[in-house]
Amino acid sequence: AQSVTQPDIHITVSEGASLELRCNYSYGATPYLFWYVQSPGQGLQLLLKYFSGDTLVQGIKGFEAEFKRSQSSFNLRKPSVHWSDAAEYFCAVTTGTASKLTFGTGTRLQVTL
Amino acid sequence: DTEVTQTPKHLVMGMTNKKSLKCEQHMGHRAMYWYKQKAKKPPELMFVYSYEKLSINESVPSRFSPECPNSSLLNLHLHALQPEDSALYLCASMTGGLYNEQFFGPGTRLTVL
Repeated sequence: AQSVTQPDIHITVSEGASLELRCNYSYGATPYLFWYVQSPGQGLQLLLKYFSGDTLVQGIKGFEAEFKRSQSSFNLRKPSVHWSDAAEYFCAVTTGTASKLTFGTGTRLQVTL
Repeated sequence: DTEVTQTPKHLVMGMTNKKSLKCEQHMGHRAMYWYKQKAKKPPELMFVYSYEKLSINESVPSRFSPECPNSSLLNLHLHALQPEDSALYLCASMTGGLYNEQFFGPGTRLTVL
């Protein structure tokens, strides 16, 4: 069965600093990977996705992620964090069955001014 | 129209009440989902409708009853809920095909007294 691990439960960064959120997956076939962001009490917004092709994918709000098959990772990065980026971030992998999403446990990002 | 809407935004109900949650999308998506999300946890899949037919039920208790009256509308009927059912209920939709992203609504915050 597929699984997703986000090792960092909580990360604090200063505004303007760079950010990297870690995601590791376990899946027997080619993974289809997503990063979603959730502000408190809100729904999930897709930041970016990887299906195939270029392993460095660009998303919205200045985020990017790199798929590394050898490390089973799909880490999310941003060169300069803004205070509005404070939120919960979920990495997810989809299976081939009705695109069921398996989510990681999430990483809460706090941004200090 | 590129969004998923959910009503009501907040709902408080007693354990003997019957209520319904509503989800609507006008993007022509043919798969629709219900998720339950507890605080500080990732969303948990409850039901999947594909082409208006229930395709996945993740062993959800019968006090939750989904309904898909048409391709744009998804309901979740609630009856005899327990306090532990209090959570954020998220609806999502997806275009046809196996590997596409899910679009999430803002959720309904449910409190069971």
